[in-house]
Amino acid sequence: DGGITQSPKYLFRKEGQNVTLSCEQNLNHDAMYWYRQDPGQGLRLIYYSQIVNDFQKGDIAEGYSVSREKKESFPLTVTSAQKNPTAFYLCASLHGTGELFFGEGSRLTVL
Amino acid sequence: GEDVEQSLFLSVREGDSSVINCTYTDSSSTYLYWYKQEPGAGLQLLTYIFSNMDMKQDQRLTVLLNKKDKHLSLRIADTQTGDSAIYFCAPSSGATNKLIFGTGTLLAVQP
Repeated sequence: DGGITQSPKYLFRKEGQNVTLSCEQNLNHDAMYWYRQDPGQGLRLIYYSQIVNDFQKGDIAEGYSVSREKKESFPLTVTSAQKNPTAFYLCASLHGTGELFFGEGSRLTVL
Repeated sequence: GEDVEQSLFLSVREGDSSVINCTYTDSSSTYLYWYKQEPGAGLQLLTYIFSNMDMKQDQRLTVLLNKKDKHLSLRIADTQTGDSAIYFCAPSSGATNKLIFGTGTLLAVQP
């Protein structure tokens, strides 16, 4: 079945470590997005990519990095520069109708 | 910048109707979406309305749009315990064609 797969579902990190969250889609969508979700704050856009080898910063890009070497893949790296990385991270891709398809999310906890 | 506001919490009894409200600031939004998020999962598209419509009905769901007041609502008839989730209002941004998400409304259905 077509869809978006995020991994890992749960991730623990020590302070000062970089971690990479995986996002893979087989929907043949051009545009992909990373959101961060915190309680009571809704979804905030971290980075997005409208086409392979191109990406733009969203509203809260500081402390994060991405790459888009393949259409199917849009990994997010949470660097040690991100001061408050504990959150639920959601990856999405955009259908031509304007609907966003979301993965199941990755919960990152900093110990 | 663009802003979307929702109340954080709504509690209803099973069988009653639920009404979730949303106000937004971008008057050029073309599409306005409602997404549902179940605990620990990603978001799924529930329904949407075009900006040139006042109302859309889809089984138990009714969406009302008041463009003048920039107010969107989602009514769920005969609310069931399986409807317990967070509901996000997400108008499209006229300037960037991205979705702007509200804070989400947690709907709790009491048996």
